This record gives sequence, C-alpha cells and structure tokens, in this order.
Amino acid sequence: AQKITQTQPGMFVQEKEAVTLDCTYDTSDPSYGLFWYKQPSSGEMIFLIYQGSYDQQNATEGRYSLNFQKARKSANLVISASQLGDSAMYFCAMTRFDQLSGGGADGLTFGKGTHLIIQP
Amino acid sequence: DTEVTQTPKHLVMGMTNKKSLKCEQHMGHRAMYWYKQKAKKPPELMFVYSYEKLSINESVPSRFSPECPNSSLLNLHLHALQPEDSALYLCASSQGPGSSYEQYFGPGTRLTVT
Repeated sequence: AQKITQTQPGMFVQEKEAVTLDCTYDTSDPSYGLFWYKQPSSGEMIFLIYQGSYDQQNATEGRYSLNFQKARKSANLVISASQLGDSAMYFCAMTRFDQLSGGGADGLTFGKGTHLIIQP
Repeated sequence: DTEVTQTPKHLVMGMTNKKSLKCEQHMGHRAMYWYKQKAKKPPELMFVYSYEKLSINESVPSRFSPECPNSSLLNLHLHALQPEDSALYLCASSQGPGSSYEQYFGPGTRLTVT
C-alpha cells in the first residue's frame, strides 16, 4: 500500500518569496512515480511536475522544482518567486509502476494537500 | 493540447434518477480514470480503464457504473445515488502502460444528490 503525508495544512507566504511544500511518502514498490498537482478554487487539477523513482536528477518545470530525497522518502515542491496566482490547494501524489506492464495506467494516491495563500 | 473535457459542469439529481457523466479526450491517451473528491478532501480513485478495458475498480458501489465506448470517451452512469455521493467527480487520462505517466484532469462535474 502507498501513503502520502503532507504535514502543512495551510501556508501564508509573501509574494515573490520562494515556497517549499513538504511531502513524504511510504511504499513497498521498488518502482514508482511522484507528482505534484495544483487545484485552484475552480476545482480543476493542474499537473505541475513529475519525478520517477529511478531518475538521478531532480525534476524542474519553470518556477517549479521537486527536491527528491529517496533515502528520506521525501519529494518536496519548491516554487520560486511566488505569485498571487499561485494561491491554491497543492497535492502531492504517487503511483506505482508495474514491472510487467511498465506502469503508466495505475491510479494516483494523493496526500491531504496544502492550502497555499500568497499575500501581496 | 492537454485538454480533457467533462459534461455537465454541474448536476443536481434525486435519489431515484438515472444520469450520466461524460468525459472526452483527444490526446490519443489509452488510460482513463474516474476520481471522486469530497469537499476539502483529496481525490479518491474509483475506476481505471486501460485500452478500453476496466483494469481497476476500487470497490465502488454498483450504483456507479463506468463505461468506455471508445478510446476517447469515458462515461459514468449514476443510478439510485445517496446524498453522501454528492461530490466533485474528476476524469483524467494518461498515455497508458509503458508510456509517460502524467495524468491530465478535466474540470470536473459537481454533483449534488437531493
């Protein structure tokens, strides 16, 4: 079974500051993927960034980077130079990769989320 | 284009009604998913279709019936729902087995059962 833990229910950050959202995970699967999604109040889940368990380098996508520490089972999201539009709910999620099929068609297990509010 | 569309946006139905939720993607993805999200909670997986075949059913009550008519379409048929089924229903798609793993979500259908 997989488990995602996000320990920050809410965060207030000043605009233009960097933000780190914490995520730890637990799994017995040797191969897995880690994701971050953003959910504004409108409800749509927006994919931000992905990290594979065997990827050597930390993933980056524009202002988003994923600080992956496999030994500590953590996958923190870093948002650089925060903007007012970054205010939203942020979910960390994971999926296992089946060794036979190569993964890619399994459901996501989500953490409880962090509500991020950017203040001007 | 990473668009997944869902209709309707909002749905109010009585406990004796039958209704359907529709999801569509034209990205050539071969895996499609239904999630249920209650207010202030994370999404929970309901069903997974891989190559138009049901591959995962997370012990969902039979009053929810999924259908995948073709590789682009995913339906969720609803019958005799309970008020506690009121939630945001999210559809997602991904490229499928052996391919990239990101799931792209639609805007969701907000369902209210009265």
